[in-house]
Amino acid sequence: DIQMTQSPASLSASLGETVSIECLASEGISNDLAWYQQKSGKSPQLLIYAASRLQDGVPSRFSGSGSGTRYSLKISGMQPEDEADYFCQQSYKYPPTFGSGTKLEIK
Amino acid sequence: EVQLVESGGGLVQPGRSLKLSCAASGFTFSNYYMAWVRQAPKKGLEWVATISTSGSRTYYPDSVKGRFTISRDNAKSSLYLQMNSLKSEDTATYYCARQLIRGFDYWGQGVMVTVSS
Repeated sequence: DIQMTQSPASLSASLGETVSIECLASEGISNDLAWYQQKSGKSPQLLIYAASRLQDGVPSRFSGSGSGTRYSLKISGMQPEDEADYFCQQSYKYPPTFGSGTKLEIK
Repeated sequence: EVQLVESGGGLVQPGRSLKLSCAASGFTFSNYYMAWVRQAPKKGLEWVATISTSGSRTYYPDSVKGRFTISRDNAKSSLYLQMNSLKSEDTATYYCARQLIRGFDYWGQGVMVTVSS
């Protein structure tokens, strides 16, 4: 199975700050990487797919980048509604596997 | 509007069985792969099962293979997860999700399954 190592496990950011979350795959995944946001008590929502493509309706302050085994999610200008858990997921090979998550809080 | 509504969760003893259901609406159910993803309390996400559009192909991780069975009824726009020989480590919120090549683009609200004596 492909292991997804996500970092950091938690971080806090001030409103307006730019934050980055990283995911490292145990082997190359050819940009088959998605990012999800999960707010407290809610189900996950797809933010980004194919490493850098924004899902419909997702604010443009969210962006994704990376290639090979290293990928990142960036939030340019933290907003109150961005406080949530974030997960990466590879869809390159079965089984689909998720990162362990990053808890993002407002400072 | 795409909606996925799970049901059938609850408290069950170890070794017993439980069947989850997911009612889909707002899209042509038969055109999509569907999946179950679970999340143990305060933990991350774990993919549990996937089924092809016709139901002819199913996929499972080793952790549930042989114990869980995913199925679907396209006429009823419904997805199911039959869980047998349940273990305490199966305790989680189970989500029904629509699965694309790019990821899981719609999720239900989740249903809680607690395995405990």
